[in-house]
Amino acid sequence: EAGVAQSPRYKIIEKRQSVAFWCNPISGHATLYWYQQILGQGPKLLIQFQNNGVVDDSQLPKDRFSAERLKGVDSTLKIQPAKLEDSAVYLCASRSPGPTDTQYFGPGTRLTVL
Amino acid sequence: KQEVTQIPAALSVPEGENLVLNCSFTDSAIYNLQWFRQDPGKGLTSLLLIQSSQREQTSGRLNASLDKSSGRSTLYIAASQPGDSATYLCALGTGFQKLVFGTGTRLLVSP
Repeated sequence: EAGVAQSPRYKIIEKRQSVAFWCNPISGHATLYWYQQILGQGPKLLIQFQNNGVVDDSQLPKDRFSAERLKGVDSTLKIQPAKLEDSAVYLCASRSPGPTDTQYFGPGTRLTVL
Repeated sequence: KQEVTQIPAALSVPEGENLVLNCSFTDSAIYNLQWFRQDPGKGLTSLLLIQSSQREQTSGRLNASLDKSSGRSTLYIAASQPGDSATYLCALGTGFQKLVFGTGTRLLVSP
């Protein structure tokens, strides 16, 4: 079974530029999550999708962050414009249907904003 | 708001030692608690999951306990090995399929 795929793995941009991250979850996983992990901290949930609908985006800075999950499979997370404090690892995770609480995480995208 | 704290933030031990990582949380209304391992440049891997009705779970050299009433969980690693070096994160399942993560403990096991 293939794992959660993310790209790019690393990205360096200057502040006020825009950037997009891509995630391909495990096949058949209806629930998809985007997390932000700042250095030295635990991951913080940004947005949760169930199929192609948003379940929770309460911690997503909507003035600059956006996310979509077209067709309920792949997802993209966009930041526009980026700020210095957006430097972090962005993790994508997916969860299989049924009574399980295990999330499967991708390798993450490390973003550096200069 | 649920707050999750892990102590210590970093730990360095010689190979072979038994060690305990701690996780404390403020709200005991949880569905479950998980321990994850995070290696540099890689995603998180779930190690153990304890349902709220359980007191502990074991997998190989790992044992995790949960005391909801005191808001604490511990991860016990027996006979540590250099391959155990990683960051360990506890995460609380708070319902609606969400996880709230702790701050992590960075473990280094020296040969």
